[in-house]
Amino acid sequence: GAGVSQSPSNKVTEKGKDVELRCDPISGHTALYWYRQSLGQGLEFLIYFQGNSAPDKSGLPSDRFSAERTGGSVSTLTIQRTQQEDSAVYLCASSLRRPSEAFFGQGTRLTVV
Amino acid sequence: AQKVTQAQTEISVVEKEDVTLDCVYETRDTTYYLFWYKQPPSGELVFLIRRNSFDEQNEISGRYSWNFQKSTSSFNFTITASQVVDSAVYFCALDSGGGADGLTFGKGTHLIIQP
Repeated sequence: GAGVSQSPSNKVTEKGKDVELRCDPISGHTALYWYRQSLGQGLEFLIYFQGNSAPDKSGLPSDRFSAERTGGSVSTLTIQRTQQEDSAVYLCASSLRRPSEAFFGQGTRLTVV
Repeated sequence: AQKVTQAQTEISVVEKEDVTLDCVYETRDTTYYLFWYKQPPSGELVFLIRRNSFDEQNEISGRYSWNFQKSTSSFNFTITASQVVDSAVYFCALDSGGGADGLTFGKGTHLIIQP
C-alpha cells in the first residue's frame, strides 16, 4: 500500500467493552510503533515491534492493553474493559528499520462513553 | 531513559516573520537520531528531517532550517518568512536506534501563523 493504514478510523464503544485497533504498515517496513495522543497532548509511546521479535511491553499503560504483530506485518492493539480515560487517538507508525524516519497512519479515534 | 523537551507550548506570529522552535533532548547514548515532525490540523504526522548525532552541520531546506548543537543538547527548528500554511503542531523526537523506548517525542509546539 501507499502508506500506513489504520482501521477503524473512528470507534465509539461503551465503557467495559473490549476493542481491537488494526495497523497495516508499509510493505517491507520492519519497525512498527503504537502511540496514543490525547486531545491537545503529545504522543505517548505504547509499544514497538521490530520484525517478528517479542516486544517490550513496559510502555503499555495498564494490563488491559495488549498488542501483537503477526508475520512481522499487521499489528493489532487490543484494549480490554475500556475506560473513559482510554479515549484518545491511537497512532501507528512504521519505518524501514530503526532509526529510519517513521511514517504515520491517520490514526484511530477511540471514544469510550 | 531518553527525554525530549519542547518548552514552547504555543507560539503565535504574524505571517512573514521568522520563528524558531526550541528542542532540548536528554540521552545517555553516544549514537542517537533526532527528528522533527509536523502535525497539521488534518492530524496526520509528516516527517520533516532526521539528523544523526555525528553530524552537527546545520541544514537548510527552503524556508526551513535546523540548528543542531551537541554542546547544549539542542536541535532547534527555524521557519523563515512564515506562511499561514505553516500553522501546525511541531514535534521534536529522539531515537537511540535500539532499546525499548522507540521514538520518543516532545509534547509539541503549536505554531499559529496569523495573516
